[in-house]
Amino acid sequence: EIVLTQSPGTLSLSPGERATLSCRASQSVSSNYLAWYQQKPGQAPRLLIYGASSRATGIPDRFSGSGSGTDFTLTISRLEPEDFAVYYCQQYGSSSYTFGQGTKLEIK
Amino acid sequence: QVQLVQSGAEVKKPGASVKVSCKASGYTFTGYYMHWVRQAPGQGLEWMGRINPNSGGTNYAQKFQGRVTMTRDTSISTAYMELSSLRSDDTAVYYCARLGGSRDYWGQGTLVTVSS
Repeated sequence: EIVLTQSPGTLSLSPGERATLSCRASQSVSSNYLAWYQQKPGQAPRLLIYGASSRATGIPDRFSGSGSGTDFTLTISRLEPEDFAVYYCQQYGSSSYTFGQGTKLEIK
Repeated sequence: QVQLVQSGAEVKKPGASVKVSCKASGYTFTGYYMHWVRQAPGQGLEWMGRINPNSGGTNYAQKFQGRVTMTRDTSISTAYMELSSLRSDDTAVYYCARLGGSRDYWGQGTLVTVSS
């Protein structure tokens, strides 16, 4: 089973700043089958990025994903107030999917 | 439009089983895997497994092997997740989800509380 480790655990930033979130896999994620999700309290997760770098339907272009192999990054270029939430990476390169433990993005 | 509607909240005693349903509409039920993901209070997301509604084939996370059973009824476009030998740490919101591609869809979640 592939283990995903996200860092940092909590990220404190202000609106307008740039956010960089990291996700490291315990082994290579095949075909870059890596996704990023956003979750707000009381809501189901929302897909942001799939295939490591493709934006999901309806996702603003301030969200971008990059990386390959075992190291992946989610970047939010200019934080909007609605972006403060918890973010999870997920790998789906095998018949067993896994999520990272999450990064909480909070307002500084 | 795609909708996944789950059954209501459940309260169970330790050692019991729970079966959660997920009724799909707005798309061809047999065309997409159905996944189950859970989230304990204040905790992260945990993938439990998936079912191929067309064949009935399943893949379960190693952690739940032997304790989880995923089934489907194609005549009513409904997927089921049954978890047995419940413990207090199984208390969580359980989601069904259609994952994959450029868009995903999630049910509203079902709170399962395990308490004596």
